[in-house]
Amino acid sequence: QKEVEQDPGPLSVPEGAIVSLNCTYSNSAFQYFMWYRQYSRKGPELLMYTYSSGNKEDGRFTAQVDKSSKYISLFIRDSQPSDSATYLCAMIKNQGGKLIFGQGTELSVKP
Amino acid sequence: GAVVSQHPSWVICKSGTSVKIECRSLDFQATTMFWYRQFPKQSLMLMATSNEGSKATYEQGVEKDKFLINHASLTLSTLTVTSAHPEDSSFYICSATIPDRTSGYTGELFFGEGSRLTVL
Repeated sequence: QKEVEQDPGPLSVPEGAIVSLNCTYSNSAFQYFMWYRQYSRKGPELLMYTYSSGNKEDGRFTAQVDKSSKYISLFIRDSQPSDSATYLCAMIKNQGGKLIFGQGTELSVKP
Repeated sequence: GAVVSQHPSWVICKSGTSVKIECRSLDFQATTMFWYRQFPKQSLMLMATSNEGSKATYEQGVEKDKFLINHASLTLSTLTVTSAHPEDSSFYICSATIPDRTSGYTGELFFGEGSRLTVL
């Protein structure tokens, strides 16, 4: 079993839709959670960074962490074609530890 | 966010040659940098952790003599793929952390743009 599970998609939605991206993990020791956006042939770009459980909002993006369920989510409101990319969740157990990535979900927002 | 620059963005080489990829932190000093490899539609696989002034720490299964890593300064790490073969063709990405004054490490990773290596 992988430490971090993420549905690879692809996920296709119409412009303006609310997108929900999710990851589950098996090790309760993870404390820091991140979401990255990766455009084709580019390096990942950090979108959201959260510590422990709770919600964090930044513009159209909301990250949720539920440590009791070992489940994290990224919501994108009013999705735009420019949001079309692969979204990777990532998490780390402690500062200085190894970052573990999910497989990435390919998102396509159709105009 | 912090800026990490990678060069070259795309390189094509003949089998048997060596290729060097540079990773620079442009607006901060990075005592630790990471090198990843990514295959199409796959996630990032950590290859090694590059520490300034010391030897890199390689992940299990990564050949140290094949992938030479040098972290000569606080802003530069290099990955050299020696005697490259077609199976080494991949997308190589470096990343660096922002040092935290209190803990020394924030957990946030900032990535370079990636370098696509094609070995003919």
